[in-house]
Amino acid sequence: QSALTQPASVSGSPGQSITISCTGTSSDVGSYNLVSWYQQHPGKAPKLMIYEGSKRPSGVSNRFSGSKSGNTASLTISGLQAEDEADYYCCSYAGSSTFEVVFGGGTKLTVL
Amino acid sequence: QVQLVQSGAEVKKPGASVKVSCKASGYTFTSYGISWVRQAPGQGLEWMGWISAYNGNTNYAQKLQGRVTMTTDTSTSTAYMELRSLRSDDTAVYYCARNDYGDCPDYWGQGTLVTVSS
Repeated sequence: QSALTQPASVSGSPGQSITISCTGTSSDVGSYNLVSWYQQHPGKAPKLMIYEGSKRPSGVSNRFSGSKSGNTASLTISGLQAEDEADYYCCSYAGSSTFEVVFGGGTKLTVL
Repeated sequence: QVQLVQSGAEVKKPGASVKVSCKASGYTFTSYGISWVRQAPGQGLEWMGWISAYNGNTNYAQKLQGRVTMTTDTSTSTAYMELRSLRSDDTAVYYCARNDYGDCPDYWGQGTLVTVSS
């Protein structure tokens, strides 16, 4: 299973909105409404920000939202803040007869 | 609260094996699986495999088949990942993560740095 495709980097100014795309195939993103998004700060473990495509875990700001269209999922961060600067990864379930998960290559978000 | 606490950093020589532990708390261990994910320096996340804590069923990433073994000890709510025949490109931070069947991981351990060097 190949990695999901994300842009290597995105940037935005404080207060602006940005969107990170995550493109897969009909075997993963397109087949399941099971895309998750993670935020990772340097030297830290990934933190779940979005699950099942658009749901936020308790404690995650409503500035983070997720959506999906076809084989592409998207993460939108509105009202950018300095602490949002981090790496972001998408994940999709990709199994059919066996369990399999695939991650995106990651996107570095820079808050200007 | 859900917590996954991993064992400490390891330094291994090429050809050796490493076994990383992951002790879970704050939830019913056998109600979820555990995925292992690694991250080489400056690189992205790579899924290594998954084990059901309920019945021990495993699924491994194709590129690691034959070199990796995942196990659990339900008496101590601990998961283990053993990687054999280590190479320099196995140098990475290894994470365990709680992972329900048919989904992506939710809670993650703090990570264990494994360095492979002669």
